[in-house]
Amino acid sequence: DTAVSQTPKYLVTQMGNDKSIKCEQNLGHDTMYWYKQDSKKFLKIMFSYNNKELIINETVPNRFSPKSPDKAHLNLHINSLELGDSAVYFCASSHRGAQETQYFGPGTRLLVL
Amino acid sequence: GQNIDQPTEMTATEGAIVQINCTYQTSGFNGLFWYQQHAGEAPTFLSYNVLDGLEEKGRFSSFLSRSKGYSYLLLKELQMKDSASYLCAVNLREDSWGKLQFGAGTQVVVTP
Repeated sequence: DTAVSQTPKYLVTQMGNDKSIKCEQNLGHDTMYWYKQDSKKFLKIMFSYNNKELIINETVPNRFSPKSPDKAHLNLHINSLELGDSAVYFCASSHRGAQETQYFGPGTRLLVL
Repeated sequence: GQNIDQPTEMTATEGAIVQINCTYQTSGFNGLFWYQQHAGEAPTFLSYNVLDGLEEKGRFSSFLSRSKGYSYLLLKELQMKDSASYLCAVNLREDSWGKLQFGAGTQVVVTP
């Protein structure tokens, strides 16, 4: 009965490859997020969706493309991976908007070689 | 720019009290969150302040002063399991959706 789940947990890949990370929440929340946590542990918002609609799109390279097929899922596709993309990517959800508590998934550890 | 400052690391003894300060200078403010993150794990919610004052929740309390751009998280009766990073996060937007900006986190080390 995991609340927010992500797959895969670990991802090791070569530069230039394309990869996807999937996220699902079973909390019935309307809002979902992608965060990136770099090696210095800074957690930064990348994207936010509310009920399948994009509401936050931070200054993220357009190699990153989120997709929300329904309000329980928010996937992240990354094209042409670069060394600097190595980080932990967290998915999160909240009932409605960032003024509500966010529940985080376990994270996906991406290593680009 | 948006600035959220927290100390990098604090060390305290089991059973003691530790206060983690967070100061912020942001273009908008609609509440402040504290999250706990153990090494290799996801952040988990600890507390939320939107009005000035103290919120108490068991061993953890959080305080907010909006006029001073200041918050603190107080951890009492420290236990070894409290060794973690504590993240201060400000909701920058007052619209329906909001946006959280996180500080760099304070690593708390609890020693026996």
